[in-house]
Amino acid sequence: DGGITQSPKYLFRKEGQNVTLSCEQNLNHDAMYWYRQDPGQGLRLIYYSQIVNDFQKGDIAEGYSVSREKKESFPLTVTSAQKNPTAFYLCASSITGDRDTEAFFGQGTRLTVV
Amino acid sequence: ILNVEQSPQSLHVQEGDSTNFTCSFPSSNFYALHWYRWETAKSPEALFVMTLNGDEKKKGRISATLNTKEGYSYLYIKGSQPEDSATYLCAPANFGNEKLTFGTGTRLTIIP
Repeated sequence: DGGITQSPKYLFRKEGQNVTLSCEQNLNHDAMYWYRQDPGQGLRLIYYSQIVNDFQKGDIAEGYSVSREKKESFPLTVTSAQKNPTAFYLCASSITGDRDTEAFFGQGTRLTVV
Repeated sequence: ILNVEQSPQSLHVQEGDSTNFTCSFPSSNFYALHWYRWETAKSPEALFVMTLNGDEKKKGRISATLNTKEGYSYLYIKGSQPEDSATYLCAPANFGNEKLTFGTGTRLTIIP
């Protein structure tokens, strides 16, 4: 089945540690996105990539890093510089980066930093 | 970042009743408007992508309209069913932004 897979579903880390969230898609989509959700807020864009080996900062990129070495993979690293890393993280992909193409989402990773 | 407002924030509807809710966004430089349904413990799922003023799209009992001149979209659900319980997100995009901006959503609960 084609889809987008995030792992793990739940992640716990100690403060000060970097952590990498996985996102893989087998939809052959060019564009991939990382969003963050906090209570009472809409999904906020962290980073996005419209093509392999290229990515751009979203609205809240500080404290995060990404890579796009393969079309199907777009891992997100939450670094120790991120002040409030505890959140729900959603990865998405779309056929192209055009804003009139629908996004397909993973099931999310809930990160808790203690 | 676009200013996107969805109302109401939450809604309880009796099974079988029809309902609607609103997404408001800046009308200038409009490009596209997305609607997503997000059921608990599942992934958000695209309902509609709309680009033309006056457009109306339908999927089963769910339909949406778009007014780009005044900056709003309505989502309608006819004859609500328990499986319609979800959070409904809208996300507009304009020519000034390369990305979607999501609203906070309308949380719909259908009462059996």
